[in-house]
Amino acid sequence: QKEVEQDPGPLSVPEGAIVSLNCTYSNSAFQYFMWYRQYSRKGPELLMYTYSSGNKEDGRFTAQVDKSSKYISLFIRDSQPSDSATYLCAMSPFYNTDKLIFGTGTRLQVFP
Amino acid sequence: EPEVTQTPSHQVTQMGQEVILRCVPISNHLYFYWYRQILGQKVEFLVSFYNNEISEKSEIFDDQFSVERPDGSNFTLKIRSTKLEDSAMYFCASSEVSTGANTGELFFGEGSRLTVL
Repeated sequence: QKEVEQDPGPLSVPEGAIVSLNCTYSNSAFQYFMWYRQYSRKGPELLMYTYSSGNKEDGRFTAQVDKSSKYISLFIRDSQPSDSATYLCAMSPFYNTDKLIFGTGTRLQVFP
Repeated sequence: EPEVTQTPSHQVTQMGQEVILRCVPISNHLYFYWYRQILGQKVEFLVSFYNNEISEKSEIFDDQFSVERPDGSNFTLKIRSTKLEDSAMYFCASSEVSTGANTGELFFGEGSRLTVL
């Protein structure tokens, strides 16, 4: 089983739709969970991070972590064409490591 | 807004040649990283660097790779003898805090695409 799994998409939605992006993971040591956005030919850019289980909201974005199911989600409300990008989940255990484990990314296309 | 800059944006090289990829991290950041992304695959950690030495490296970061901070601004990744499978996008990142990897507060550059023929 892969350490982090993410549906590669592509996911194509109309403007204004609610988008749900998901990752599953196998390592129960993961404590920090992040979502990055990557535009074409750019580096990843941090959107949100969450520690342990729970929800976190930032504007149109909501991150959810369910550690019991080893499942994390990113919801985008009122999606905009400018949200079109690849969304990467990433994780890190609590113990002392510099290494982030990334998912393969989900490509999202929001059409007007 | 401060950003991480990388050069070159694209380099084509012959197998067996040495390549140096350069990065200028954000000026007040102290923790530096290299990641790579092979086309169609996930972003993978290569190495982290702090206080002029390697903090952590992955199994990918073998003896043909090295990193250096030759002056107060640049951070370089050297691949001594490139192989076909080294073809990838290489991302430099920097962080102000030691927990940058835990909290995701890594700032990535736009990447250097390496093509090995």
